[in-house]
Formats: sequence, structure tokens, C-alpha cells
Amino acid sequence: AQSVTQLDSQVPVFEEAPVELRCNYSSSVSVYLFWYVQYPNQGLQLLLKYLSGSTLVKGINGFEAEFNKSQTSFHLRKPSVHISDTAEYFCAVSDIVGQGAQKLVFGQGTRLTINP
Amino acid sequence: NAGVTQTPKFQVLKTGQSMTLQCAQDMNHNSMYWYRQDPGMGLRLIYYSASEGTTDKGEVPNGYNVSRLNKREFSLRLESAAPSQTSVYFCASIRRVQGRTDTQYFGPGTRLTVL
Repeated sequence: AQSVTQLDSQVPVFEEAPVELRCNYSSSVSVYLFWYVQYPNQGLQLLLKYLSGSTLVKGINGFEAEFNKSQTSFHLRKPSVHISDTAEYFCAVSDIVGQGAQKLVFGQGTRLTINP
Repeated sequence: NAGVTQTPKFQVLKTGQSMTLQCAQDMNHNSMYWYRQDPGMGLRLIYYSASEGTTDKGEVPNGYNVSRLNKREFSLRLESAAPSQTSVYFCASIRRVQGRTDTQYFGPGTRLTVL
């Protein structure tokens, strides 16, 4: 079974500074990776996904992530953060379960706090 | 196009009471899911329905039952609520295509407190 580890539970950053949120997954033959964002008291929204192809994936709101197969990592980056990026971020890997259904396995989440 | 909707948004129960959380999607998706979110634990899968007429257990199914009422609706029932079921519950859906993976879309969540 797949597993995901988010290495930092909380990341405080000053506004306009760069940020990296780290994610490692258990290795598998095929892997599909996702980053979701959860703003306070809301559901999860997809930031970006890696299914195949280019290892550098660009998402919404200026975020990007790099798939590194040798290090089994999928770290999320943004060169300059804004107050509005304050949220919880979840890394997830897709696993195929019964009847071909896709199941997402989530990391524990990283709370990103942007300070002025 | 409302996406994935959940009712209610908030609920407080006493230990031993029962309730049903409702979920509906209008995206013609095949598969639907129920997750619970607890601090420091991410989201954990309770039950899923790969297609209409089928349901299967996820990672943490104990104390829950589900019904896939039709293609649009997937409900989660707590028969006898316990304080350990205090959590935020999310419903999700996905368009399942054989041999391909796709994006899961999430509802806004139901915040449940069991006293």
C-alpha cells in the first residue's frame, strides 16, 4: 500500500519570501501525485497533479512541484508567498483499490502561515 | 453546476444518537468517497463506492455504514455515535476512466461533534 509523509507539520514564512513544503511517498511502479490546499473552514481544492510527462508541474496561484523518482519526493514550491496563501496543504498519492477505483492516500498536512 | 454538496454543515450529537450525512454530486461522476479529517492525521478513507450499486470499506470503516442511493448520491450513517467520531467529514467524487487516474473533487465538509 502507498504511503505519504509530509515532513513539516507547520511552516511559518514572511510575506514575499520563498517557500518549500516537503512530501515523500513510498515507491511504486506507477505513481500519481497530488497537492491539495484547504483554506480555513473550507473543503480541499486541487493545486496541481503529476500523472506523467514533465517532472516539473505548474499549478494554480503560482505554485509548482517537482517529481523526483530517485528520491521519491514531490516537494511543493512558490517563489514569493502572499498572505492569502495561509492554509493547510496536503500531499496525496493515488492508489488503485477494488473494482479499479482510485483511492487517495494523504499525508498529515502542512500548515503554512504567512506573516506580514 | 454545484459540484459536490454536503448536508448538514454542522451537527452536534449525544453519544448513542444516530444520524445520516448526505452527499450529492452533479458532475456525472462514477466513484464517490467518504473521508474523515482529524488534526495531525490528514484525511482517512472511511468508505468508497467505485460505481453505482457497489460500496467497499476504506481505512477506518468501523462504526459507519454507507448507501449509494443512485449515481448522484452517497450517504454516510452513524448508527450509534461515539465521541471518537467527532471529526470533519468530507465527501468526494471522481470520474473513473479505466486505466487512467483523474482528480477527486471535494465537498465543503460536515463538522460533527459527539458529546
